[in-house]
Amino acid sequence: AQSVTQPDIHITVSEGASLELRCNYSYGATPYLFWYVQSPGQGLQLLLKYFSGDTLVQGIKGFEAEFKRSQSSFNLRKPSVHWSDAAEYFCAVGLDSGGYNKLIFGAGTRLAVHP
Amino acid sequence: ETGVTQTPRHLVMGMTNKKSLKCEQHLGHNAMYWYKQSAKKPLELMFVYSLEERVENNSVPSRFSPECPNSSHLFLHLHTLQPEDSALYLCASSQGLGDTQYFGPGTRLTVL
Repeated sequence: AQSVTQPDIHITVSEGASLELRCNYSYGATPYLFWYVQSPGQGLQLLLKYFSGDTLVQGIKGFEAEFKRSQSSFNLRKPSVHWSDAAEYFCAVGLDSGGYNKLIFGAGTRLAVHP
Repeated sequence: ETGVTQTPRHLVMGMTNKKSLKCEQHLGHNAMYWYKQSAKKPLELMFVYSLEERVENNSVPSRFSPECPNSSHLFLHLHTLQPEDSALYLCASSQGLGDTQYFGPGTRLTVL
């Protein structure tokens, strides 16, 4: 069955430090890949997405992600974290289900940022 | 209003009550979705509508009843819920079924 794994439930980094959030997926074909962010009490905001082409994808708020087919991974990175980046981050796989893009989400990684 | 809006933002109801959640999208999209976000569980897709027609019902109990009167509005009618139905219910929309989904802020539901 298709699945998305985010191995880190909680991550704490210092402001200004670099960040990498891990995401691995299980799917037979190349999926559509997404990263969403959720601030407390809010819905999900799209950070970036990969459909095809360049495997390094740039998103909003200075985030980027790299698709590695050989590792079935789509890790999210940011070179310098800001206190406002504290939130929960969700990786998702979009599966083509007869023309319908069904999203399978990981369990999320909660990011805390120390001043 | 812009994007995807949801009302109410918070709802407390008893197990015998009937209530409805409302979602409205202002993006001109054609597809709309309901998701459930429970504590310590990944987001679960509940229903999908495309051009007001239901295309997915992800084994959701009948105490949840969706309605999509037009491409801008989506409702989730609730009746005889259980405490385990307490969760954040998120609505999303997309241009087409294969396109990026944009989410609303959610309705925090508590069932007593």
